[in-house]
Amino acid sequence: QSALTQPPSASGSPGQSVTISCTGTISDVGGYNYVSWYQQHPGKAPKLLIYEVIKRPSGVPDRFSGSKSGNTASLTVSGLQAEDEADYYCKSFAGIKFVFGTGTKVTVL
Amino acid sequence: EVQLVESGGGLVQPGGSLRLSCVAPGFIISNSWMTWVRQSPGKGPEWVASMKPDGSLQYYGDSVRGRFTVSRDYARLSMYLQMNSLTAEDTAVYYCATQDLMHAFDTWGRGTLVTVSS
Repeated sequence: QSALTQPPSASGSPGQSVTISCTGTISDVGGYNYVSWYQQHPGKAPKLLIYEVIKRPSGVPDRFSGSKSGNTASLTVSGLQAEDEADYYCKSFAGIKFVFGTGTKVTVL
Repeated sequence: EVQLVESGGGLVQPGGSLRLSCVAPGFIISNSWMTWVRQSPGKGPEWVASMKPDGSLQYYGDSVRGRFTVSRDYARLSMYLQMNSLTAEDTAVYYCATQDLMHAFDTWGRGTLVTVSS
């Protein structure tokens, strides 16, 4: 199972928005509405940001939003803040298995 | 806040074995799907294995199937990952996490480092 494709990096100034794409296939992203997104700061465990494509767990700011079109899911971070600088990974259910994305490093300029 | 605590990592020689543990609150061990995820240095996370609450179903990633086994001990409030025939490619931080019904990994431990080297 190949990893989902994400851009290696993205950046924006405080207050701006960044959108990260996550491209898979019909066997994973395109076939299920079970895409989730995770934020990971250096030396820390990943943290769930988005699940079921668009839903946010309690406590996650509404600056984080998700969407999906066909085989590509996206995470948008609006109103960038310094603490948003981190690595971001998508993950998709793929029928009794899971596949993560390659990861995107977000830099707040 | 739910806390998961992994242990058992360390240095092991190629071809060796290691068993990781994940301690969780009783209501988690008894009622939640649980999963192992690993992350090699400088790489993204990789799903390793998941297990149904009653232990009747486990499924594994392609890279570990046949070598790794996941299990639970309800009395000890623990989940385990038995790892055999280890290679350098298994070097990683291993995390345990809860897996909700919508297939999201919603609570994570801090991880335990496994290094496979001679």
